[in-house]
Amino acid sequence: QVQLQESGPGLVKPSETLSLTCTVSGGSISSGGYYWSWIRQLPGKGLEWMGYIYYTGRTYDNPSLKSRVIISVDTSKNQFSLKLTSVTAADTAVYYCARVPPTMDPYYFDSWGQGTLVTVSS
Amino acid sequence: EIVVTQSPATLSVSPGERATLSCRASQSLDNYLAWYQQKPGQAPRLLMYGASGRAPGIPARFSGSGYGTDFTLTISSLQSEDFAIYYCQQYKNWPRTFGQGTKVEIK
Repeated sequence: QVQLQESGPGLVKPSETLSLTCTVSGGSISSGGYYWSWIRQLPGKGLEWMGYIYYTGRTYDNPSLKSRVIISVDTSKNQFSLKLTSVTAADTAVYYCARVPPTMDPYYFDSWGQGTLVTVSS
Repeated sequence: EIVVTQSPATLSVSPGERATLSCRASQSLDNYLAWYQQKPGQAPRLLMYGASGRAPGIPARFSGSGYGTDFTLTISSLQSEDFAIYYCQQYKNWPRTFGQGTKVEIK
């Protein structure tokens, strides 16, 4: 059974870059046709999809994040990563990584990491 | 961007009763809708996809219906472990968007 685990700093200063990594275990990130994704949950609010990546490096990202999102994959480490540039306090959230079942396009999320809280503060 | 609106915001239900949650989209989704359950301090868990397809391991008391813009998640007989927040998510268009959630609480 696949497991996902987020890791990275829990505190980031305003204007800096938030960097998180998701380590996938129990399966290869490059097999099965899965996409991989980042989703965040703002405090007391709902969920926001941030982007998807395929093991080939193909990505889709959310235009509402105004090109601040960079998602990459490292198949040798079975990991994928998120960078969010120029952060502000509004980016304080719980960040989740998730797996997307193989379909024609990336759709919904069938396995999630436990989430990691990132606070943006000086 | 497709706006997905869930109602009610909070639903108070007694154990053993039926719960009916609504999700409405600003434009047609066909059946490109998923439902998730989230308990405090936990990640969301996939319940339904394709509006009515139950994810593996999800009990039969959960059912989904709808097509186009109006969708429903029904929990036929609420168990104690079902009290949680439920989100719907559309994947018809970009960007993927979630509803704001319905909290199912004990009456």
